[in-house]
Amino acid sequence: NAGVTQTPKFQVLKTGQSMTLQCAQDMNHEYMSWYRQDPGMGLRLIHYSVGAGITDQGEVPNGYNVSRSTTEDFPLRLLSAAPSQTSVYFCASGRPGAGANVLTFGAGSRLTVL
Amino acid sequence: QQQVKQSPQSLIVQKGGISIINCAYENTAFDYFPWYQQFPGKGPALLIAIRPDVSEKKEGRFTISFNKSAKQFSLHIMDSQPGDSATYFCAVTDSWGKLQFGAGTQVVVTP
Repeated sequence: NAGVTQTPKFQVLKTGQSMTLQCAQDMNHEYMSWYRQDPGMGLRLIHYSVGAGITDQGEVPNGYNVSRSTTEDFPLRLLSAAPSQTSVYFCASGRPGAGANVLTFGAGSRLTVL
Repeated sequence: QQQVKQSPQSLIVQKGGISIINCAYENTAFDYFPWYQQFPGKGPALLIAIRPDVSEKKEGRFTISFNKSAKQFSLHIMDSQPGDSATYFCAVTDSWGKLQFGAGTQVVVTP
């Protein structure tokens, strides 16, 4: 049982480069989300999706794009990387129901932008 | 702006002691209050959660206390063990399930 799989685990980019962080889940969860984790800031929501074809912005969406063409996949795109996007990124999925959403997190992708 | 304020930032406790982490929120629309535990190099994982219709929930050595009128909730780790050394996050969510997290508390349990 894979759960939530994130790739790559580590990435170094130069300012201005673009890249995509991949996220896949095999639990048939409707809800998927991306967070970034920075020291002293906790986990901040970037984008989320409540189902295929539906996405919305979280707290810190600027500089990031997402799409949800299938239930399983939720890629996060950085169109023009900036040093401020150096962070650890977590993908999480869940199944909201009865007001509860237990998120399953991936292992994280550590991104450094030089 | 952060929807939930968490304190302290870090905590050192001796083995067998009690760790207490506090969180406060503003929005009364939140109806689910989970705590997540994160070990170094791993993603967070759900530890325990509570709904606002109860004031306390206990699972093993972990207890959530919830004060709806004060809009505060806390995590108590009883008989703390070195294996409990981790970062703990409180979170709040509404019925859509969009979780918003506190800043985290790094707990170190000394032998």
